[in-house]
Amino acid sequence: QKEVEQDPGPLSVPEGAIVSLNCTYSNSAFQYFMWYRQYSRKGPELLMYTYSSGNKEDGRFTAQVDKSSKYISLFIRDSQPSDSATYLCAILSGYALNFGKGTSLLVTP
Amino acid sequence: DVKVTQSSRYLVKRTGEKVFLECVQDMDHENMFWYRQDPGLGLRLIYFSYDVKMKEKGDIPEGYSVSREKKERFSLILESTSTNQTSMYLCASTSRLQGAYEQYFGPGTRLTVT
Repeated sequence: QKEVEQDPGPLSVPEGAIVSLNCTYSNSAFQYFMWYRQYSRKGPELLMYTYSSGNKEDGRFTAQVDKSSKYISLFIRDSQPSDSATYLCAILSGYALNFGKGTSLLVTP
Repeated sequence: DVKVTQSSRYLVKRTGEKVFLECVQDMDHENMFWYRQDPGLGLRLIYFSYDVKMKEKGDIPEGYSVSREKKERFSLILESTSTNQTSMYLCASTSRLQGAYEQYFGPGTRLTVT
C-alpha cells in the first residue's frame, strides 16, 4: 500500500467555485503534511504545509489535517483560472517526501 | 530566490545509450533529490543525497546511479537506457536547517528513449 493516496481526477470546476482536494495516508507517525502545486511544464512548488493536526489558512487556500482519520485536505475558495494546475499532497518521511499521485484541476472562466 | 537548474529540458536517446542528467542548485542546500514523474504513478524518488559523496536509495533506484562530488551539483546517471526509462526527471534540493518539507524543484528533463 502506498503511503499517500490521492485521487488523480481530473477535476473541472467553474470560476468562483469552492474546490476540495483530498488525500489519505497510512502511517500515523507522520507529522508534516504539504501541498505542492505544479503548473504545466514546470516543477512542483510548495503551496502550504501543516505540522500535526488542524487548519492553516493562506488567502484563498486552507489546508486541513485530520490525524484521527489520516485525512489531508486542501480547500480553494473563489477559484480562479490561474489555479488550474496539478496539486500534489506530500508527507515528510525522514529526509524525503512521499507524494500522492496528484490531482489535475481545471478552473473554467 | 532559490534556483535549481537542470542541464536539459528535452532529451531523446536510443536504447542502450548512457545518459547524464545534471542538477545544480545555488542556495548551498545540503539535501538533493532525483525523482521521476509518470502519468498515473506520480512522483517517485530515485535517489537522494544529504551531503557530498553521500547517497541513499529511494523507492525506485534500479537502473540508475548518482554522483555528488560537489555540494551544489547532483548527477543522475542512466548507464544503459531502456524504453521504460522514458519519463520526466525532476531534481530538487532542500536546506536541512530551513525544513526538509520545502523542496525546491528544477523545471524537469523530459527524456524519451526510443
